[in-house]
Amino acid sequence: QLQLQESGPGLVKPSETLSLTCTVSGGSISSSSYYWGWIRQPPGKGLEWIGSIYYSGSTYYNPSLKSRVTISVDTSKNQFSLKLSSVTAADTAVYYCARLGIIRIVGATLGYYFDYWGQGTLVTVSS
Amino acid sequence: SYELTQPLSVSVALGQTARITCGGNNIGSKNVHWYQQKPGQAPVLVIYRDSNRPSGIPERFSGSNSGNTATLTISRAQAGDEADYYCQVWDSSTACVVFGGGTKLTVL
Repeated sequence: QLQLQESGPGLVKPSETLSLTCTVSGGSISSSSYYWGWIRQPPGKGLEWIGSIYYSGSTYYNPSLKSRVTISVDTSKNQFSLKLSSVTAADTAVYYCARLGIIRIVGATLGYYFDYWGQGTLVTVSS
Repeated sequence: SYELTQPLSVSVALGQTARITCGGNNIGSKNVHWYQQKPGQAPVLVIYRDSNRPSGIPERFSGSNSGNTATLTISRAQAGDEADYYCQVWDSSTACVVFGGGTKLTVL
């Protein structure tokens, strides 16, 4: 059974960089069938996609966060990571990592969906 | 950017059928996915590619997608179905994952 586990500091100071790691177990992050991604949810609010990465390092980012986000992958450790710079209180949220299934037809990708999620980790931005 | 519109809340009587809509421009041309999120828990995929159920999801959950509206239908609603439900698509024009704002389902 695939499992994803987020790890990292639960408290980050304003203007600093938020760093989280997602460890994947029960499956290989190097599979050609999946992307891996980060989603966040501010308290009492909806889901916001942050970005996604392929095992090769290819990435997609939410344009509203792109200037502050870096997602990377370490296939040797079966992990992928999120860095969000210059954080403010508005970045306080539960951060989830997830696996993305890929919808493909010959020669094209039609979309992605999140089929496995981590339990989430609350990150609070406060001095 | 592409937007998905969901009602803030939907109520259904116990044992009846609940329908949660997700509106978007020509959404029928996209693959729509639905997630259930209970308080304090991570979201769970309940429908993918408009109408497909992952293993372990009851047959009571079904989906459809046409024109400008996708619909998640929950038949014979149970108290355990109370949750927030989110629709999601991939916008290929901007290479972005898009979530709807979420709908709170109440079972009366």
